[in-house]
Amino acid sequence: AQSVTQLDSHVSVSEGTPVLLRCNYSSSYSPSLFWYVQHPNKGLQLLLKYTSAATLVKGINGFEAEFKKSETSFHLTKPSAHMSDAAEYFCVVTPSSYKLIFGSGTRLLVRP
Amino acid sequence: DTEVTQTPKHLVMGMTNKKSLKCEQHMGHRAMYWYKQKAKKPPELMFVYSYEKLSINESVPSRFSPECPNSSLLNLHLHALQPEDSALYLCASSQDDQGIYYEQYFGPGTRLTVT
Repeated sequence: AQSVTQLDSHVSVSEGTPVLLRCNYSSSYSPSLFWYVQHPNKGLQLLLKYTSAATLVKGINGFEAEFKKSETSFHLTKPSAHMSDAAEYFCVVTPSSYKLIFGSGTRLLVRP
Repeated sequence: DTEVTQTPKHLVMGMTNKKSLKCEQHMGHRAMYWYKQKAKKPPELMFVYSYEKLSINESVPSRFSPECPNSSLLNLHLHALQPEDSALYLCASSQDDQGIYYEQYFGPGTRLTVT
């Protein structure tokens, strides 16, 4: 069975410092992996996706994620946090064509 | 254009009312989805339409009735809802529902309150 675990429910960083949001997945085959962001009372916005072409994936707004098969991880990083990055982040795995398996989410707080 | 639009943004309805949520996309996507999201939780899949036909119903109560009038539009008809149905309802679309690499694009959602 496919699953995804976001290791931190909350992450707090100071503006200008690096961001690391951790995600581990379980999949019996090479999965498709995504990171989505959701600002308060908004829909989900796709940050980036992994589709087996390259292990380091660059997304929007300076975010990137690295697919590590040996560690079954897909952590999201950003070199320097901005106040506007404060939001809920979801790691997602797609075991089948239509089904998105969401992690429980990580709330990112950015301190001024 | 990667935009999915949803109307209305907010909806308050009584338990005896009938209302509809509307979703629209102009990306040529052939798969469309309805999700329900409760506070501080990830979205939960409700329905999938593929090429304008209902392909997946995730055991959703019959008081929720989806409709896909054409390839760009998706409606969710609501009738006799319960207070626990209050949530953010999200619409999404993707190129189709047969490829795991096809990302889903989400609308901004409709915040539904049932009184």
